Amino acid sequence: DAGVTQSPTHLIKTRGQQVTLRCSPKSGHDTVSWYQQALGQGPQFIFQYYEEEERQRGNFPDRFSGHQFPNYSSELNVNALLLGDSALYLCASSQGPDSPLHFGNGTRLTVT
Amino acid sequence: GQNIDQPTEMTATEGAIVQINCTYQTSGFNGLFWYQQHAGEAPTFLSYNVLDGLEEKGRFSSFLSRSKGYSYLLLKELQMKDSASYLCAVTGGYNKLIFGAGTRLAVHP
Repeated sequence: DAGVTQSPTHLIKTRGQQVTLRCSPKSGHDTVSWYQQALGQGPQFIFQYYEEEERQRGNFPDRFSGHQFPNYSSELNVNALLLGDSALYLCASSQGPDSPLHFGNGTRLTVT
Repeated sequence: GQNIDQPTEMTATEGAIVQINCTYQTSGFNGLFWYQQHAGEAPTFLSYNVLDGLEEKGRFSSFLSRSKGYSYLLLKELQMKDSASYLCAVTGGYNKLIFGAGTRLAVHP
């Protein structure tokens, strides 16, 4: 039973570029949440997708957008990258929007 | 506002007991999670407290006092593999978790 899988594991981008990160939820899970974790900090909530719609959003600018597909997988897109966007991006899935989260190993994004 | 406080670092000896505290002030509260995160890895779920009191799960126990905005994670019979960051997170519902900065625990022989 595969857990939450994310791709790629590492990514290096230049300021101003755009990036797409991908997430496949744990089998049986239909809800995907995205978190940003800066070095030495706890994860910060970006947004949550359920039934292919963004249900909740944290304090992130519109440069951060996402999508959920009919198979429950999800993408996180970040436009006009800034140096401060360098972080570990974690995807978490759950069975419904109110049950314990299972995290993937994350995508380490470095913006130079 | 939302604020979650936990100690930045703690050290303990193998075989000992350690208590990691977490205090919170949030606008909404449905429950409190504890996660363990080893360096370079995903956070893994340890416990979820909704009601006041102690929840025990093997070597790990978690306590919640909603009136005091306080929780702690108790780790018994410490092992070297318990060296990790421990994240306290509060939810106001629907899995929008507000995390603390985490407590880095170092277990020494």
